Amino acid sequence: NAGVTQTPKFQVLKTGQSMTLQCAQDMNHNSMYWYRQDPGMGLRLIYYSASEGTTDKGEVPNGYNVSRLNKREFSLRLESAAPSQTSVYFCASRPLGTEAFFGQGTRLTVV
Amino acid sequence: QQQVKQSPQSLIVQKGGISIINCAYENTAFDYFPWYQQFPGKGPALLIAIRPDVSEKKEGRFTISFNKSAKQFSLHIMDSQPGDSATYFCAASIRSSASKIIFGSGTRLSIRP
Repeated sequence: NAGVTQTPKFQVLKTGQSMTLQCAQDMNHNSMYWYRQDPGMGLRLIYYSASEGTTDKGEVPNGYNVSRLNKREFSLRLESAAPSQTSVYFCASRPLGTEAFFGQGTRLTVV
Repeated sequence: QQQVKQSPQSLIVQKGGISIINCAYENTAFDYFPWYQQFPGKGPALLIAIRPDVSEKKEGRFTISFNKSAKQFSLHIMDSQPGDSATYFCAASIRSSASKIIFGSGTRLSIRP
């Protein structure tokens, strides 16, 4: 039982490059989330998907797009990376009414 | 109205002491208040959670105190140990909704031997 799996774990991008962060969960959870974590700013919600086929903006969606490919997978895409997007990205999933389960994170550096 | 305010930002406690982290929320629709613990290089993991129909929940050395009228809740770590050194996040959500979980800004706790 892997839980929430994120790939890659580390990535360095040049400004303007694009990439997709992958997330998959094997717990049959309906809701999935993408957060970014920056020093002193906690976990800020980028996008979330309450159920398969739906996505909604969170607190800091600019510069990102998401796809809820199926119930298991929720990907985050950076179309044109900027240094301000240097951060640690966490994917999470949650069944209704209880806590969220987080992946191990992707440490992204944009130079 | 969606914010969860957490304090302090960092905390240093001697081994064996009591660590206290505080959070305040605004949205009275929130009905689930978890605390997450995060070690360096790892994702946050649930530590303990409370629902607003009780004023206190205890699990081992960890206790959540909840004050519904003040819209505040706090985490107490008794007999703090070096292994408790981590970042702690409070959060709030609505159980019946699949929508977002709101996190506090985090507290970096260091337990000195």
